Amino acid sequence: KQEVTQIPAALSVPEGENLVLNCSFTDSAIYNLQWFRQDPGKGLTSLLLIQSSQREQTSGRLNASLDKSSGRSTLYIAASQPGDSATYLCAVKGGTASKLTFGTGTRLQVTL
Amino acid sequence: DVKVTQSSRYLVKRTGEKVFLECVQDMDHENMFWYRQDPGLGLRLIYFSYDVKMKEKGDIPEGYSVSREKKERFSLILESASTNQTSMYLCASLPTPGGSGTSGSYTQYFGPGTRLTVL
Repeated sequence: KQEVTQIPAALSVPEGENLVLNCSFTDSAIYNLQWFRQDPGKGLTSLLLIQSSQREQTSGRLNASLDKSSGRSTLYIAASQPGDSATYLCAVKGGTASKLTFGTGTRLQVTL
Repeated sequence: DVKVTQSSRYLVKRTGEKVFLECVQDMDHENMFWYRQDPGLGLRLIYFSYDVKMKEKGDIPEGYSVSREKKERFSLILESASTNQTSMYLCASLPTPGGSGTSGSYTQYFGPGTRLTVL
């Protein structure tokens, strides 16, 4: 059974810092990996999706990497802003099934 | 833009009541999902549906049922609500590659969530 772990559970950084969020998964036979953002009391918004054949994806200040063989992904946020404060979740899709397995998230706070 | 709506943002029910949570998506997606989200446990899949009248159990289906009579609507039913079903419930939809609902990228689109409290 796939298990997804995110470390740290919470992180507080001052505005302007670059930061890395980590995600690890136990079964490397994945179809893709996604990073989502969730604001308090809200649904999830997809940030980046990396196919199993890809190594990284970039969108603006966000860069996600994938090392399938070691079961790891990182989300790099450059020049963090208070508006980046949210919970970040990673999720893996195994094989051809539509199901996603989610990590428990990293709650990020960017302070002024 | 893909839009997934859920019937209520907040809901308070009593133990033993029958509860209906409704989810509607407007992009003709084939697949729809119901999750619950609890602190420290993350999102867990309750049920999903890959077509009208089709349903599959997720990881935690006990105490829940679902209904998908129309493609755009996926309902989650708590037959007899219990306090341990107090949670945040999230609905999502997903297109099938090559399917009729190909608008949007191949990713799950989430509704805003329903925070259910069972007293």
